[in-house]
Amino acid sequence: EPEVTQTPSHQVTQMGQEVILRCVPISNHLYFYWYRQILGQKVEFLVSFYNNEISEKSEIFDDQFSVERPDGSNFTLKIRSTKLEDSAMYFCASSVLTASNSALHFGNGTRLTVT
Amino acid sequence: AQSVTQLGSHVSVSEGALVLLRCNYSSSVPPYLFWYVQYPNQGLQLLLKYTTGATLVKGINGFEAEFKKSETSFHLTKPSAHMSDAAEYFCAVSEYGANSKLTFGKGITLSVRP
Repeated sequence: EPEVTQTPSHQVTQMGQEVILRCVPISNHLYFYWYRQILGQKVEFLVSFYNNEISEKSEIFDDQFSVERPDGSNFTLKIRSTKLEDSAMYFCASSVLTASNSALHFGNGTRLTVT
Repeated sequence: AQSVTQLGSHVSVSEGALVLLRCNYSSSVPPYLFWYVQYPNQGLQLLLKYTTGATLVKGINGFEAEFKKSETSFHLTKPSAHMSDAAEYFCAVSEYGANSKLTFGKGITLSVRP
């Protein structure tokens, strides 16, 4: 079964550094998402992306965050200057076009630790 | 605004016993409802979803859930628990289909005793 692939599985970075989290969505999917889960808290929506532009974003997704689909297969989340509170599990997800029958398929996540 | 409430953080059942995980939602429009499962060190896997039509939805691994509009509930059940069901379970709601943002509950950890 096709999967959403995320790399790396664990990223450690120092506060203030830039970090890029990478995702390869399922190949025929057209909607892409990032969610995050701070330890012990709910899974939270960050951003959705369709047709090479952001379709929706949460209040968490401020100017420090950006997303990009640099080629036909990758989808990235960049955090420009990481803060301690950015430490979380970041999940990438993708879905097909047809809304009524679709559901999000999630990757295994990247655990980001900011020190 | 949409929201999901999953009461309690931990449910423990014996192997072979009924599993019941509760989920209540709030939505200003007819909701799309989902249950996801997360095994240790893995991502979120879709168990089942309700979009429209039949209110009793069957999913993978013997789980099912019933959409009850009058109770704003979408409880997850399985008649007989298996040790492999031990995981964290998340209920989620979307107001405009799965391609709009999902709002998750805080999750419930299911333990299965031998």
